[in-house]
Amino acid sequence: DQQVKQNSPSLSVQEGRISILNCDYTNSMFDYFLWYKKYPAEGPTFLISISSIKDKNEDGRFTVFLNKSAKHLSLHIVPSQPGDSAVYFCAAAYTGGFKTIFGAGTRLFVKA
Amino acid sequence: DSGVTQTPKHLITATGQRVTLRCSPRSGDLSVYWYQQSLDQGLQFLIQYYNGEERAKGNILERFSAQQFPDLHSELNLSSLELGDSALYFCASSTTGTDANTGELFFGEGSRLTVL
Repeated sequence: DQQVKQNSPSLSVQEGRISILNCDYTNSMFDYFLWYKKYPAEGPTFLISISSIKDKNEDGRFTVFLNKSAKHLSLHIVPSQPGDSAVYFCAAAYTGGFKTIFGAGTRLFVKA
Repeated sequence: DSGVTQTPKHLITATGQRVTLRCSPRSGDLSVYWYQQSLDQGLQFLIQYYNGEERAKGNILERFSAQQFPDLHSELNLSSLELGDSALYFCASSTTGTDANTGELFFGEGSRLTVL
């Protein structure tokens, strides 16, 4: 049962352009959403998060948007840089749930 | 450096064998999580411990078991290994783990298990 889905295995973007990574979820109990970035041979690292009481959270070049009615969130990276090339995991959790569920990841390639 | 230490980094073994993966959480973190990442798959949640107690279980096989010790380090035991168990096993820790499970997870670099 895939509760968190990232339907695009990969995305290629030109340097300086916007990268948009998408994520869908099925469990309406999720009330907190996170994005993690993973480089090869490293563990995932936290990037940005959003609570279900918000619809947008911004941190520098990274913005996460949440559409609760559609059970959809997206990560925008503007402008994209070659160093952003990595695998991005969407994750979701709910208070009292004790576990964080991850999507399959989207591999982002930013071309110089 | 996340502060989470996993050993060994790489492990090659044969089918039917048993291995133990070890994780030391960040200083002060009481929660430890184990995740499995198979080829081209996402991070599959296996199990979570909080201060020595099991708190949540995911898709963990009966051949796998885990525990968290009084010093808060954790071990994941994988037995009767099969080819399909080959994967990256990540440990993560967090400060929370009770009813506020929305905090950031800090991941180790993973243990790559290859079963031949």
